[in-house]
Amino acid sequence: AQSVTQLDSQVPVFEEAPVELRCNYSSSVSVYLFWYVQYPNQGLQLLLKYLSGSTLVKSINGFEAEFNKSQTSFHLRKPSVHISDTAEYFCAVSVRNTGGFKTIFGAGTRLFVKA
Amino acid sequence: GAGVSQSPRYKVAKRGQDVALRCDPISGHVSLFWYQQALGQGPEFLTYFQNEAQLDKSGLPSDRFFAERPEGSVSTLKIQRTQQEDSAVYLCASSLSNAGGLYEQYFGPGTRLTVT
Repeated sequence: AQSVTQLDSQVPVFEEAPVELRCNYSSSVSVYLFWYVQYPNQGLQLLLKYLSGSTLVKSINGFEAEFNKSQTSFHLRKPSVHISDTAEYFCAVSVRNTGGFKTIFGAGTRLFVKA
Repeated sequence: GAGVSQSPRYKVAKRGQDVALRCDPISGHVSLFWYQQALGQGPEFLTYFQNEAQLDKSGLPSDRFFAERPEGSVSTLKIQRTQQEDSAVYLCASSLSNAGGLYEQYFGPGTRLTVT
C-alpha cells in the first residue's frame, strides 16, 4: 500500500532563515508527487509538483523540491522564508488506481515563521 | 465565483441524524473528489467522479456514506445515521483533467461536521 510520511508536525523558524520540510513516501509503483499549502483560513492550493523530467521542481514563490527515487523522498526547501510563508504544508502522492489516479496525503507540517 | 464552493460551511448534527454536504466544482471540471480531514491529519480520499460516473469509492468508510453527481457538475455527499467518529472537515476538490488525481486539484473551503 502507498503511504506518505511527513516527519515533522511543526517547524518553527526565524524569518530569512532556510527551511526544509521532509516528506518520504512508500510505493511499489510509479508515483507523481505534490506539495500543497494551506494558508490560515484558506483552502488547500497546489504549491509545486513532480510528474516527470527534471527531478528539481520550483514554485513561483521561491520554494523548491527534489524527487529522490532511491531515497523515496520529496523534501521541500526554501533558502529564506518570510512571515507570509506561515502555513500548513501537505506532501501528496498520486498513484494509478481504478478509474484514474488516487491521491494520498501526508499528515501535514505546520511551518511557523517568527520575526 | 470562480472557485470550488461547499455548503454548508459548518454543520452540527445529533448522533443518528442524516446530513447532506454539497459541492459546486469549477465549471467545466471533469473530475471531482471528496476527502475527509480529521483534526491534525491530512485529507483522506473518499471517492472520485469523472463527470457523472463514480469511478472509485474505495475510501468511503462505511455503507452509511453515499455520494452522487447526477449531472456531472454539483455533487452531494450524504452521511446516514451520523456517528461521533464522522466529525471531521469534508473537502471537495475538482480538476479539469480526466486523469483523476494526476493533475492539479482545486479545493473548496470544506464543511466542518460536528456530531454531538
